Amino acid sequence: GNSVTQMEGPVTLSEEAFLTINCTYTATGYPSLFWYVQYPGEGLQLLLKATKADDKGSNKGFEATYRKETTSFHLEKGSVQVSDSAVYFCALMDTGFQKLVFGTGTRLLVSP
Amino acid sequence: DTAVSQTPKYLVTQMGNDKSIKCEQNLGHDTMYWYKQDSKKFLKIMFSYNNKELIINETVPNRFSPKSPDKAHLNLHINSLELGDSAVYFCASSLQGLQETQYFGPGTRLLVL
Repeated sequence: GNSVTQMEGPVTLSEEAFLTINCTYTATGYPSLFWYVQYPGEGLQLLLKATKADDKGSNKGFEATYRKETTSFHLEKGSVQVSDSAVYFCALMDTGFQKLVFGTGTRLLVSP
Repeated sequence: DTAVSQTPKYLVTQMGNDKSIKCEQNLGHDTMYWYKQDSKKFLKIMFSYNNKELIINETVPNRFSPKSPDKAHLNLHINSLELGDSAVYFCASSLQGLQETQYFGPGTRLLVL
């Protein structure tokens, strides 16, 4: 079945450091890929998405590129802020059943 | 105005009780979902409704029964609550279509004692 694998956290960084959170997927066909963010005590918010190979999603300084050859969708940000501390979820859209399949989430902690 | 709202936000109850969680969306979406997030933050879909019809029903105990009175509402009723039901339950909605974004509610934190 379809699945998403994310790097385990927590990821601990100092402010202004470079961020990478790895995400790889297993799927039949070409699913849409998403990054969602969950701030403490809140629901999930869509951060960015990409719907086909080589697409780059970007938002709020975060970027991720849909790489079909490596089945990856790694999240990057050039300079993190304390306010970026949250849990980040990689997900794919199961095209057969129209449901989101989530990775286990990666907690990011950014210190001043 | 909140796009996807859930009530209650917190729910503490005893084992064996029956409880309901309500969800409403004002986005005009066709499809609504319930997800469960366990203590390790793992998120898994439970149900999906499209235009009041059940489309996805994952392997969820039949103590859980979703009800969609209209397109804008999807409620979750849980009978005979068990300790393992303690989790955060998220409602979400989207337009119909494979590439449409799902919008999540703020979650309902259920604690079964």
